[in-house]
Amino acid sequence: AQSVTQPDIHITVSEGASLELRCNYSYGATPYLFWYVQSPGQGLQLLLKYFSGDTLVQGIKGFEAEFKRSQSSFNLRKPSVHWSDAAEYFCAVAPKSGGGNKLTFGTGTQLKVEL
Amino acid sequence: KAGVTQTPRYLIKTRGQQVTLSCSPISGHRSVSWYQQTPGQGLQFLFEYFSETQRNKGNFPGRFSGRQFSNSRSEMNVSTLELGDSALYLCASSLELPGTGYGYTFGSGTRLTVV
Repeated sequence: AQSVTQPDIHITVSEGASLELRCNYSYGATPYLFWYVQSPGQGLQLLLKYFSGDTLVQGIKGFEAEFKRSQSSFNLRKPSVHWSDAAEYFCAVAPKSGGGNKLTFGTGTQLKVEL
Repeated sequence: KAGVTQTPRYLIKTRGQQVTLSCSPISGHRSVSWYQQTPGQGLQFLFEYFSETQRNKGNFPGRFSGRQFSNSRSEMNVSTLELGDSALYLCASSLELPGTGYGYTFGSGTRLTVV
């Protein structure tokens, strides 16, 4: 069965520091890959997505993610974190065929930004 | 343009009651899915609809049901509520067909509390 692992439950970084959130997936074939962000009491906002092609994907709010097939990873990065980036981040996968648009989510990483 | 609208935002129900949650997708979006978010289980897929047809269903008991109308609006119903049904219920809509993996736009959710 497909699964998504986000090994870091909580991460604290200083404002202006760089950020990397880890995501590993287990799947029969390379799925579609997504990163979403959720602020308290809100829904999920799509940061970026990977379908195929260039393995470095640019998203909104200055985020990027790199797909590494050999490591089954899709890590999210940001060169300089802003206090407003404090939120929960979810990695998700969806099958390229046969599974509709069903998203399987990781357990999330809570990001705290210290001023 | 208007985003995904979920009503109501908050709901308190008593065990044994039933509840209906509503979701209006982004105009023109024909694909709608529902997710349950709880602290213990995280984000779990409930159903997916496209053009009034259920395309996918998650591993939830039969007390959870849904439907989609001809205008793409969707409702989900939970009968015989249990305390464990307390959760944030998220609706998401997508323009593309299921299986294309283009990702969903999420609403802000309905917070259901069962007492």
